[in-house]
This record gives sequence, C-alpha cells and structure tokens, in this order.
Amino acid sequence: DIVMTQSPDSLAVSLGERATINCKSSQSVLYSSNNKNFLAWYQQKPGQPPKLLLYWASTRESGVPDRFSGSGSGTDFTLTISSLQTEDVAVYYCQQYYSSPPFTFGQGTNLEIK
Amino acid sequence: EVQLVESGGGLVKPGGSLRLSCVASGFPFSNAWMTWVRQAPGKGLEWVGRIKRETDGGTADYAAPVKGRFTISRDDAEDTVFLQMNSLKSDDTGVYYCTLGGTYYNAWGQGTLVTVSS
Repeated sequence: DIVMTQSPDSLAVSLGERATINCKSSQSVLYSSNNKNFLAWYQQKPGQPPKLLLYWASTRESGVPDRFSGSGSGTDFTLTISSLQTEDVAVYYCQQYYSSPPFTFGQGTNLEIK
Repeated sequence: EVQLVESGGGLVKPGGSLRLSCVASGFPFSNAWMTWVRQAPGKGLEWVGRIKRETDGGTADYAAPVKGRFTISRDDAEDTVFLQMNSLKSDDTGVYYCTLGGTYYNAWGQGTLVTVSS
C-alpha cells in the first residue's frame, strides 16, 4: 500500500499569512501515460464531514476559493492557503488514488490561527 | 443538489453485525462508483472500500483490515449503497461516511456512528 505522510502534524498561522502543508507519498502517484498526479486534498472542520478542495493535485473543486492551491508532482505535494481566513481553521488531509485500492489518506494536519 | 444520507449505526457488541445504508439523491446513482470511508474517534480518515457501477462489473474492493468481514452492495432501484459489517471488533468503532466517487470524493454524507463495545 502507498503510505501518505503529511507535515507538519499541526500548524499555527496568523490571519492573512500564508499556510503551507506538505504531503509525501511512499511511491510516485504520477501516471506517466496522462501526466496526471493522482492526489486529492480535503478540508474537515470540527463536527463536519470532509470536503474536497483539490484533485489531480492542483485542480480546484467548484466553489473552492482561489486562495487554496496545490502543487507538486511524483511523491511530493503542497497545499497552500495564500492568505489565511478564520473559516480555514480545520484539519487538512491528502489522499492518493493511484492505480488500485486501497486509496490511502495522510494522517492529517491541524491548522489553527496564531 | 447531491445528498448522501447514512443510517444504521449504533452500539454493537464485539463479534456482532450491523448493516449501514446510504441513500443518494441529486445525481444518477446507477452511473456512480461509491466508497465508504471511516474515522475513528479523534483520528484520521481510513478508506474502507468501494463498489463500482454495474456497467463496470459492480464489484467491490476492500481495505485489508475489513476484507472478509465487510461487504459492500448496492440497489440501483432504490439509489442505495450498503455496508454489511460482520465480526465487528473494537477497532471498527468510528463514524462511517458514504462518499460519491471511486477515486476522489466530491460529496460526503454526514456519517453514522458505529460503536463496538461490550
């Protein structure tokens, strides 16, 4: 199984500042035939189900603010929130969906306001 | 609007069984692959299993910890996906989410809580 490791586990950022969360996979999730990275990012606020933010590593889901962006390829990925808002306080997860199941998640990164 | 509504959770003793249901609306259910994801209390997300649409074979895949104990099925006439859970263990305790998709998941239900305890 592909192991997903996020860093840091917890992060505190001031309002309006940039937040960066990293995700590393134990093997490449880049599919060479279509040059797509099989990686998604989710946001989970307390007491709510997760919400899809990005897929194919950098494609924003409809309705997601453009302050959320994704980058990276192969085994190393980053979720960036360009200017942190109060409503962005949440736990963030990466997930790989490369090849065959199981489609594993990272352990989560808890984002708070400094 | 896509909606997924889970039900069937509750308290069950170790070794017992539960059947979860997820009723879908707002999209053509028969065309959809569906996935179950769970979350233990205070922990992260764990992929449980998925079922393909019938035109892709209708087969299911499972995570290793649940393989042989859990079964995913679907009733396209009722727009419902099921998770039959047998031989439950305390490690199976958590919120079970029904999600839309076979790879990434762009809609989630609110979840149903399963507690396995004596």
